[in-house]
Amino acid sequence: EPEVTQTPSHQVTQMGQEVILRCVPISNHLYFYWYRQILGQKVEFLVSFYNNEISEKSEIFDDQFSVERPDGSNFTLKIRSTKLEDSAMYFCASNRESTEAFFGQGTRLTVV
Amino acid sequence: GIQVEQSPPDLILQEGANSTLRCNFSDSVNNLQWFHQNPWGQLINLFYIPSGTKQNGRLSATTVATERYSLLYISSSQTTDSGVYFCAVRRGNEKLTFGTGTRLTIIP
Repeated sequence: EPEVTQTPSHQVTQMGQEVILRCVPISNHLYFYWYRQILGQKVEFLVSFYNNEISEKSEIFDDQFSVERPDGSNFTLKIRSTKLEDSAMYFCASNRESTEAFFGQGTRLTVV
Repeated sequence: GIQVEQSPPDLILQEGANSTLRCNFSDSVNNLQWFHQNPWGQLINLFYIPSGTKQNGRLSATTVATERYSLLYISSSQTTDSGVYFCAVRRGNEKLTFGTGTRLTIIP
């Protein structure tokens, strides 16, 4: 069964460093998303991406964040200069037109 | 934006008991999903249920879209059912809005 794949599963980084979280969405999906979940809290939306551009972003998704679909299969989230409060589980999701969203297994990011 | 409320926030049950989790949402939606977050943090798709009733083994779900709620039923609970259950809703391809979850603990 097709699935959304995220790498790495865990990443520890120093404050101020850049990180890139990677996702491979399901191949015939057109809509892509990043969400995050701070420990013990609910899942929050970061950004949605369709037709090679951002379709919506939340207040959390400031200038430190960017997304890219560099090669038609990968979908990446970059955090330019990490802060302690960026520590969270980051989820990638994808779907076809107006259907069920499928989530990856998540990347646990720890900023020290 | 759409508000999603889940109840109860916490539920502790003996193994073998049945439970009902509720999700209320504030506006019309055409996509509702239930997830189970396991101890490793993974979000496991349980149901895609914008309306009607579905069953999968010991789990079933019902969404009454016109009244803006959904219910998740777990029968004959097992310890592996423990974790946090999230409901999430959206319209079309918009972002999913998640509820705050129900933390279910099953005691052997």
